[in-house]
Amino acid sequence: GAVVSQHPSWVICKSGTSVKIECRSLDFQATTMFWYRQFPKQSLMLMATSNEGSKATYEQGVEKDKFLINHASLTLSTLTVTSAHPEDSSFYICSALPWLAGNNEQFFGPGTRLTVL
Amino acid sequence: AQSVTQPDIHITVSEGASLELRCNYSYGATPYLFWYVQSPGQGLQLLLKYFSGDTLVQGIKGFEAEFKRSQSSFNLRKPSVHWSDAAEYFCAVGTGTASKLTFGTGTRLQVTL
Repeated sequence: GAVVSQHPSWVICKSGTSVKIECRSLDFQATTMFWYRQFPKQSLMLMATSNEGSKATYEQGVEKDKFLINHASLTLSTLTVTSAHPEDSSFYICSALPWLAGNNEQFFGPGTRLTVL
Repeated sequence: AQSVTQPDIHITVSEGASLELRCNYSYGATPYLFWYVQSPGQGLQLLLKYFSGDTLVQGIKGFEAEFKRSQSSFNLRKPSVHWSDAAEYFCAVGTGTASKLTFGTGTRLQVTL
C-alpha cells in the first residue's frame, strides 16, 4: 500500500516550452502533496505544498508563476514548469500525505528527471 | 526554522562491517525524525521514523536509529552492511501537522567487497 507514482519518469524538452509532471497516489487519498527539487548530488529542497482544492503554498525563492501547481483531486497533483530553461533541469520528486494519517508520514514518488535543452 | 546536518558527505565501509551515519537536527520542539534511502535515479524509501516513545527505533533492512534529545541527534546504525546498502542516505526532520520535511545534505555510502 501507500504507492505514489509520477509521470513521466523522464522528459526532455526544448527551452521555452512547458512541461507537466503528474503525481498520483494510487491506493490512498491525499489532501496534501509536496513537490521537491533535487539537483545532482544534492539534497531535496521543498518547492511547494499542494493542498486539494486550494492554492499551493510556495517556499521562499520559488517562482509560483513558473512552477504552476494544481491539486484538483485527492489523488492527483500536477506541476507545470512553464517556459522551461536549461537551469530548470533537475530531478523533481513529489510526495503525498495520506488523508487519515495520524503519523505525518509522507510517501514519495519515484521522481521525474527533466532535461531542458 | 529547523535544520538538519549530516556531517559525513561520503562514507566507505567493507561489507559485513558495522555502520553509523550521523544526523543532527535543530528544532525548538519535539521533532518528527526520518531516515530515507535513495538509490541512483530513484525516489526515496523510508527506512525508519521517530515520532515519540521508545528512542531506539527499528526500521527495515536491519537498520536502527537512536533519538538522543540531549545531543539533538538521530544517528542511523546497522550492525553488518551488505553490498546492496550502497546508496544515498538522507536524514529529515518534520514539523507541524502538515509535516513539511527539511532534509539534510545526504551521506553517500559506498560498500567495498
